[in-house]
Amino acid sequence: EDQVTQSPEALRLQEGESSSLNCSYTVSGLRGLFWYRQDPGKGPEFLFTLYSAGEEKEKERLKATLTKKESFLHITAPKPEDSATYLCAVHGYALNFGKGTSLLVTP
Amino acid sequence: DTAVSQTPKYLVTQMGNDKSIKCEQNLGHDTMYWYKQDSKKFLKIMFSYNNKELIINETVPNRFSPKSPDKAHLNLHINSLELGDSAVYFCASSQEGGRRAFFGQGTRLTVV
Repeated sequence: EDQVTQSPEALRLQEGESSSLNCSYTVSGLRGLFWYRQDPGKGPEFLFTLYSAGEEKEKERLKATLTKKESFLHITAPKPEDSATYLCAVHGYALNFGKGTSLLVTP
Repeated sequence: DTAVSQTPKYLVTQMGNDKSIKCEQNLGHDTMYWYKQDSKKFLKIMFSYNNKELIINETVPNRFSPKSPDKAHLNLHINSLELGDSAVYFCASSQEGGRRAFFGQGTRLTVV
């Protein structure tokens, strides 16, 4: 059975303080590892898809990387508007999500 | 234009009632999903459906049933609502084959 574990559960950063979120996974036949952002009261919003170990993708202050067992979402010099829950998922017959990391960036 | 839209956004109902949540996507996708997000924010797949097959998460009670009148719509019917059904329900869609999913804004269901 596909499993996705995210850590930490919650993270508080000062504005400008870089950090990384972890997503470890087990899946039979990876069809994609996905990162989403979810703001309170809204649906998850797509950030990245990674398909193979060694792949990296970037968008503004975010960079996602993938190995055979885990993925990292690196946040460089975060701003308060980056505060959200970040969700990692792997694709079986549907996206199977981890429990998310709740990020709070304070000014 | 909203890609995936759900109605209603909020639904408050009494135990034992039957209710439906509607979902429509205008992306031309061939696969639609229903997810349940509990109070701890864990997003769990309930159903995956395209015109070829319906895949049901085995943990979903049979009081829940998806109904698809056409490729662009997947409605969720819930019979005999229970307190534990209170959650936020998200509809999503994607192209078949491991592509990214687009989510609706969610329906917050409260059973009293």
